[in-house]
Amino acid sequence: DGGITQSPKYLFRKEGQNVTLSCEQNLNHDAMYWYRQDPGQGLRLIYYSQIVNDFQKGDIAEGYSVSREKKESFPLTVTSAQKNPTAFYLCASSIDADQGPYEQYFGPGTRLTVT
Amino acid sequence: DAKTTQPPSMDCAEGRAANLPCNHSTISGNEYVYWYRQIHSQGPQYIIHGLKNNETNEMASLIITEDRKSSTLILPHATLRDTAVYYCIVRSVNMRFGAGTRLTVKP
Repeated sequence: DGGITQSPKYLFRKEGQNVTLSCEQNLNHDAMYWYRQDPGQGLRLIYYSQIVNDFQKGDIAEGYSVSREKKESFPLTVTSAQKNPTAFYLCASSIDADQGPYEQYFGPGTRLTVT
Repeated sequence: DAKTTQPPSMDCAEGRAANLPCNHSTISGNEYVYWYRQIHSQGPQYIIHGLKNNETNEMASLIITEDRKSSTLILPHATLRDTAVYYCIVRSVNMRFGAGTRLTVKP
């Protein structure tokens, strides 16, 4: 069953702690993405990666870090420097990240609550 | 990236066609129009995309005007399960999801 998995679905952390959200895909896609969604808002791009060992900042990268050591995996770390980390985090992948007609496939999301 | 404008909300009767409009007047010649939808608390789901020609798949039809400045997503026979937020996006590497249109399908 091909797709994107994110775990866990719900995550609770204390303020000041770093937390890592996992994202795995078995679609053999080169490009992977992380988005953040706040209540009633659209998605905002945090980071994306077009190929293993390479990634670029999106619109709201401050306070976040990523790695892409394997094609299948693109974990996101929410650091203590992120001022408002509580949000719904979505991972996506696509065949390529260029402007071609490559749709993105999304995971089910992780809802992070920091208190 | 071209911006898109969508109405914040729409209602549709179950079984009727839902026509969701989108304006993208600053779209450039090689940018695709994509539609996604998001059911509450789930990841967005890809629906359809197009460049110049009208497109149809098992989920929906996409009508793009000749000048490409606007498009309409058509769900031919809306069901209650089509209630969701629908996003119209003009594609570049950074897919910018705006607030979308909240479609409510009513019995």
